[in-house]
Amino acid sequence: EAGVAQSPRYKIIEKRQSVAFWCNPISGHATLYWYQQILGQGPKLLIQFQNNGVVDDSQLPKDRFSAERLKGVDSTLKIQPAKLEDSAVYLCASSLVRGLNEQFFGPGTRLTVL
Amino acid sequence: KQEVTQIPAALSVPEGENLVLNCSFTDSAIYNLQWFRQDPGKGLTSLLLIQSSQREQTSGRLNASLDKSSGRSTLYIAASQPGDSATYLCAPIKAAGNKLTFGGGTRVLVKP
Repeated sequence: EAGVAQSPRYKIIEKRQSVAFWCNPISGHATLYWYQQILGQGPKLLIQFQNNGVVDDSQLPKDRFSAERLKGVDSTLKIQPAKLEDSAVYLCASSLVRGLNEQFFGPGTRLTVL
Repeated sequence: KQEVTQIPAALSVPEGENLVLNCSFTDSAIYNLQWFRQDPGKGLTSLLLIQSSQREQTSGRLNASLDKSSGRSTLYIAASQPGDSATYLCAPIKAAGNKLTFGGGTRVLVKP
């Protein structure tokens, strides 16, 4: 079974630029999550999708971050404009259904904002 | 708001010793708790998922216990190996929405 795929793996941008990350969840997984992990900390949930609808985006900085999951499969996370404090690893995860199932994580995208 | 603490933050042991990693959480109204491993520069690998109705879960050399009433979980790794060197994260799951709240992790180094 293929795992969660993410791209790019690394990205370096200057502050005020924009950037986008892509995630392809495990086939058949209805729930998709984006997490932000700052160096030395545990991941923090940014947004959760159930199919193509948003379930929880309470910790998403909506003035600069946006995410979509068209057709309930792939998802993109965008930052515009980026700030220095956005430097982090962005992790995508998926689970079978919204509920109490195990979450599976992708390798992450490491973003450096200069 | 759920707060998760993992102690110690870092641990260094010689190969062959048993590892004990602690996780405490403030809101005991959880449904499951998941333990993860993270290698440097990599994503998270799920190790064990304990349901609230269980008190422990085992997989090979790994054993995780859960005491909901006291807000604690412990991950035991028997006969540690250098390949066990990684950061270990715990994440209790609220019943609503399958939302994970992570601790800061315990960074483990197993010396040959």
